Amino acid sequence: DAGVIQSPRHEVTEMGQEVTLRCKPISGHNSLFWYRQTMMRGLELLIYFNNNVPIDDSGMPEDRFSAKMPNASFSTLKIQPSEPRDSAVYFCASTRDFYTDTQYFGPGTRLTVL
Amino acid sequence: GENVEQHPSTLSVQEGDSAVIKCTYSDSASNYFPWYKQELGKGPQLIIDIRSNVGEKKDQRIAVTLNKTAKHFSLHITETQPEDSAVYFCAASSTSGTYKYIFGTGTRLKVLA
Repeated sequence: DAGVIQSPRHEVTEMGQEVTLRCKPISGHNSLFWYRQTMMRGLELLIYFNNNVPIDDSGMPEDRFSAKMPNASFSTLKIQPSEPRDSAVYFCASTRDFYTDTQYFGPGTRLTVL
Repeated sequence: GENVEQHPSTLSVQEGDSAVIKCTYSDSASNYFPWYKQELGKGPQLIIDIRSNVGEKKDQRIAVTLNKTAKHFSLHITETQPEDSAVYFCAASSTSGTYKYIFGTGTRLKVLA
C-alpha cells in the first residue's frame, strides 16, 4: 500500500514568493494533519481536517499560511508570502478514523526560504 | 496546557545493550500513547503504541510500559543494533476532547558498534 505522499520533497524559494506544498493521504483515511518540524520548536501541529473539513487551525502561525482539502485524496498548504523563518520540514499525516488516533506520516517537504 | 516531557534528549548505548526513553504527560484524559522513530531525512514512523487499558505492550525487541497513576510511559529497546540509531518521539492524545497528538521533544539514540 502506498503511504502518505508529499510533494515536492525539497523546495528552495526566495523570500516573498508563494509556496505550495501538496499531500495525498493514504487511501481510505478521512483525517489529515499538517505539521511543521524545526530544531527549535520540534513537531508543531498546524491544522487538521476531518472528512475534508478543517477542524482546528489554531496552530497556523500567521495569515500567510492557508490550507485546503478539496477532496479526500488531496490537500495543500500554502505560504504567501514566504519568509526565511518559514524554513522547516513540513509533514502531512493521515489517519483512517479521527477517533482511533494512529497517524501515519509522509516523508516531508524540506522548505528553504532564502 | 497539555504537555509531554521526554527524557533524555540524547542517549548513547553500546550495541547489544538496552535503551530506555521516558515520557511524562500532563493531561489525565490522555488514553493513547504512540511512539515514533524518525530516521534522517524521513518522516516519523510508528513503531509501537499503547492504550490506557493496558500497562505493557511488547513487539519483539521493543516494549512500552504505561503508569497511568504517575502519568508516565516508557519505551524499552533491548539488544540494540546500529539500525536502531534515530530520533524517537513519544506522543499522547485523548479520544475525547481535541484528539490532537501532543509530542515530546524527541530523544536522539545513538547505538555504538
